[in-house]
Amino acid sequence: SYELTQPPSVSVSPGQTARITCSGDALPKKYAYWYQQKSGQAPVLVIYEDNKRPSEIPARFSGSSSGTMATLTISGAQVEDEADYYCYSTDISARGVFGGGTKLTVL
Amino acid sequence: QVQLVESGGGVVQPGRSLRLSCVASGFSFSSYGMHWVRQAPGKGLEWVAVIWYDGSNKYYSDSVKGRFTISRDNSKNTLYLQMTSLRAEDTAVYFCAKEDMVTLDYWGQGTLVTVSS
Repeated sequence: SYELTQPPSVSVSPGQTARITCSGDALPKKYAYWYQQKSGQAPVLVIYEDNKRPSEIPARFSGSSSGTMATLTISGAQVEDEADYYCYSTDISARGVFGGGTKLTVL
Repeated sequence: QVQLVESGGGVVQPGRSLRLSCVASGFSFSSYGMHWVRQAPGKGLEWVAVIWYDGSNKYYSDSVKGRFTISRDNSKNTLYLQMTSLRAEDTAVYFCAKEDMVTLDYWGQGTLVTVSS
């Protein structure tokens, strides 16, 4: 079955740039989506279609994709950005798939 | 505003069945595909199933195919997940999510299903 691979954890100091990667064989043909999940809460969409940002998401969040890798970048990470981040995409059968998640620590 | 409210979770014995519901409001429910996503305690998100806006197509993850059935009643703005032959590994918070052009743009708060004897 199709898989998306993320690093388990990323750690940065406040104000630094955090980059979270997501690799998958179908990403050259399929969009990547990114979700932020804080403890005990439902996921929130932060990036869609590789690099588009919902209007309510701060501009420090951006996305990119090249080849088999998509990247979520948080420029000037804030303490409140500490959360789990998941990439999401679909396989050739339109079934969804999530990456394993990355725990972002900002301290 | 868009609201998705799940219900139907609880404690169930292995091998038994349970039906989850997700009531939608604030958008034209019959125009959008809907998904179920689950999250086992302390684990990551796992995609479970999708149903097209008109119910014409349904897809499942390998882990639930043949045991779970996704359905919808557009007249009631309600999404369902019928779960049978439940196993301990099905224990999770189950979220419903609205789809807009592949994007899962709105999520409910989830309902907890615990499979235990």
